[in-house]
Amino acid sequence: AQSVSQHNHHVILSEAASLELGCNYSYGGTVNLFWYVQYPGQHLQLLLKYFSGDPLVKGIKGFEAEFIKSKFSFNLRKPSVQWSDTAEYFCAVKNQAGTALIFGKGTTLSVSS
Amino acid sequence: DTAVSQTPKYLVTQMGNDKSIKCEQNLGHDTMYWYKQDSKKFLKIMFSYNNKELIINETVPNRFSPKSPDKAHLNLHINSLELGDSAVYFCASTDSGGSSYNEQFFGPGTRLTVL
Repeated sequence: AQSVSQHNHHVILSEAASLELGCNYSYGGTVNLFWYVQYPGQHLQLLLKYFSGDPLVKGIKGFEAEFIKSKFSFNLRKPSVQWSDTAEYFCAVKNQAGTALIFGKGTTLSVSS
Repeated sequence: DTAVSQTPKYLVTQMGNDKSIKCEQNLGHDTMYWYKQDSKKFLKIMFSYNNKELIINETVPNRFSPKSPDKAHLNLHINSLELGDSAVYFCASTDSGGSSYNEQFFGPGTRLTVL
């Protein structure tokens, strides 16, 4: 069965630090990959998505992610985090049937000012 | 002009009760979902409807019954609520007619607490 692994459960950073959150998926075929963010008390919002083409994907709020097929990875990065980036970050892959998203367990990012 | 809305936002109830959560989307999407987010923030698909037809029914107790009266609505009815049903339930929608990488839009969630 397809699965998504997020290695970092809780990341704590100071403002202006660089961020990289790991995400690995299990499926070896064509993949559609997503990063969602959930700010405290809010619903999930799409940060960025990858479906084909340039493996370096740029999203909103200065986030980017790199798809590395050989490593089955889709890590999220941001060069300089802000206090307002404090949130839960979820990596997801579309299932083989293309009918639903399979989420990782999420990473809590805490940014101190 | 909310895209995906859910009611209620909070629901506190006793074990054994029956309750419903409603979801509506005004995006013109044809596919809607229910996800459950547990206390550890883990999100898992429960159901998916496409044009009012059930297309995904994950391993969910049959106390949970989704109903889609039309493409814009997907409700979730839960019978005989148990403590373990306490979670945040998210509704989402997407347009299946586009390419397979279409974004899912999520509602604000319904926090269900069973006492």
